[in-house]
Amino acid sequence: SQQGEEDPQALSIQEGENATMNCSYKTSINNLQWYRQNSGRGLVHLILIRSNEREKHSGRLRVTLDTSKKSSSLLITASRAADTASYFCATDGGSNYKLTFGKGTLLTVNP
Amino acid sequence: NAGVTQTPKFQVLKTGQSMTLQCAQDMNHEYMSWYRQDPGMGLRLIHYSVGAGITDQGEVPNGYNVSRSTTEDFPLRLLSAAPSQTSVYFCASSYLRGLRTGANVLTFGAGSRLTVL
Repeated sequence: SQQGEEDPQALSIQEGENATMNCSYKTSINNLQWYRQNSGRGLVHLILIRSNEREKHSGRLRVTLDTSKKSSSLLITASRAADTASYFCATDGGSNYKLTFGKGTLLTVNP
Repeated sequence: NAGVTQTPKFQVLKTGQSMTLQCAQDMNHEYMSWYRQDPGMGLRLIHYSVGAGITDQGEVPNGYNVSRSTTEDFPLRLLSAAPSQTSVYFCASSYLRGLRTGANVLTFGAGSRLTVL
């Protein structure tokens, strides 16, 4: 069963706008990761946030984590057409050997 | 560095045929895993390995076999392919020492698209 669920399933914005996608999960975690997948490619790790962290930044990415609500959000600021991809959250609830992924959010950034 | 290399990229099988998806990594990663990705289902873990000679099941292991004879290679075998195994398969690897500090950050291959008729 899926541990993480992303919301929305699809998001379409204009270049320069900010994109926010959310992830909810079911069980306690040690950390949560976000990955990007360009069409026809493998997933690429973007950012990791640990359970004792509330916010983390990496370039144009900002991730927040609310363990009381079992949710995380990924904000991409000043989106570019090259950000068009699917974005997945991954959690380690139960076992670090068994990362579980959500179904992903498809982000389309229109030039 | 090549990273994680998967072969073949595309394969068409008939029901009942067998085949092996190959995965090789050149990063000296101890941890390797196989996921399948289906539309609307996200990625689901099939099998994983924490080192040569050590494998374990993931969420959807039925119909698949794995072995780990070397650190570099982690092949996935389909003994008798079924249409339900039509999917995109991803191999991913990571450093075990990352797991010991609490984070399993995966490096993925480009994927193998399998169609079973």
